[in-house]
Amino acid sequence: GNSVTQMEGPVTLSEEAFLTINCTYTATGYPSLFWYVQYPGEGLQLLLKATKADDKGSNKGFEATYRKETTSFHLEKGSVQVSDSAVYFCALDSGGSNYKLTFGKGTLLTVNP
Amino acid sequence: EADIYQTPRYLVIGTGKKITLECSQTMGHDKMYWYQQDPGMELHLIHYSYGVNSTEKGDLSSESTVSRIRTEHFPLTLESARPSHTSQYLCASSDSYWENTEAFFGQGTRLTVV
Repeated sequence: GNSVTQMEGPVTLSEEAFLTINCTYTATGYPSLFWYVQYPGEGLQLLLKATKADDKGSNKGFEATYRKETTSFHLEKGSVQVSDSAVYFCALDSGGSNYKLTFGKGTLLTVNP
Repeated sequence: EADIYQTPRYLVIGTGKKITLECSQTMGHDKMYWYQQDPGMELHLIHYSYGVNSTEKGDLSSESTVSRIRTEHFPLTLESARPSHTSQYLCASSDSYWENTEAFFGQGTRLTVV
């Protein structure tokens, strides 16, 4: 079956530091890959996505590249801000008529001023 | 901004009570989902629906039940709440017409059973 493995947290960084959150996946076929973000007290919202190999998703300074050869979709940001403090979820959607999202366990990021 | 709404946002209720968590979306999405989020943040799919009159159990066994009588509405019911049901419940929806589209989430209901 499908699965997503992401870096365990918590991750604590200082403002303006470089961020990487690793994500690898197992899936049949050609899944789409997503990063969702959950701010404190809120639901999840889509941060970025990539639908095919070598696609790069980007939003709000965050980037992730769909690497089929390494089955990875690592999230990166060059300079984090305090407002980026949140929980980040990697997810995949394997498509087909009966698809549903498969999520990683989430990584808590705290950015200190 | 996502047009999916959950009520109530917070609920504290006594053991044995019957409760219904509401979820509505105005996007016309066929697919809807309920997730339970544990304190460690992990999401567990407990129910999903592919359209009206379609409901399926998810990956995590749950004592709750759901119904889908209208496209826009996907309520979750607990017939007899217990402290073990204390959790955050998140509702989501997605468009089945296009594959690989994002899911939209409500803000969640934080349930505490005392």
